[in-house]
Amino acid sequence: KAGVTQTPRYLIKTRGQQVTLSCSPISGHRSVSWYQQTPGQGLQFLFEYFSETQRNKGNFPGRFSGRQFSNSRSEMNVSTLELGDSALYLCASGMGLEFYEQYFGPGTRLTVT
Amino acid sequence: SQQGEEDPQALSIQEGENATMNCSYKTSINNLQWYRQNSGRGLVHLILIRSNEREKHSGRLRVTLDTSKKSSSLLITASRAADTASYFCAPANRDDKIIFGKGTRLHILP
Repeated sequence: KAGVTQTPRYLIKTRGQQVTLSCSPISGHRSVSWYQQTPGQGLQFLFEYFSETQRNKGNFPGRFSGRQFSNSRSEMNVSTLELGDSALYLCASGMGLEFYEQYFGPGTRLTVT
Repeated sequence: SQQGEEDPQALSIQEGENATMNCSYKTSINNLQWYRQNSGRGLVHLILIRSNEREKHSGRLRVTLDTSKKSSSLLITASRAADTASYFCAPANRDDKIIFGKGTRLHILP
């Protein structure tokens, strides 16, 4: 079974621009969660989508948004990029039911200059 | 949702020794999971233990859960260089978001 894939793997953007990251979950998984990881803040939860609906949300500003499509693929968007948005963005998929574990993708390394 | 707190923050041991790391949490849970992350890569799920279980094994890994103390421990026996990574615990409830702590950085010395 293919794992979670994230595209692109690396990205360099300029302050003020926007970016869209993509995540393809494992086939059959209905839940996709997004995390931001930085050396200073560690792993922070952004949001979770389950069956095209946002089920949980972390404490990030409205510049961070996401969506999930009917095939469970998910995208997250960051508008008006700031230097502090430089991070490794990880997505994880799971069944989304009780007692489910998450399977992580390799991440997208975003650098904002 | 809640966040687990791993202890110690960092741990260095000789190859072949056992490594133990602990996790504490604050409120009742449905299950607790442990994950591993090699430098700069995605997390890998190691083991899930349900709230009605006390101990679980997977290869060289042993996880215990004490719900009365709201704590869990992960034991890695006969450590190897490849075990060098950060380890995260994730206490979880049904349908709730999974929040990760700062993790324990484990370094296996040759």
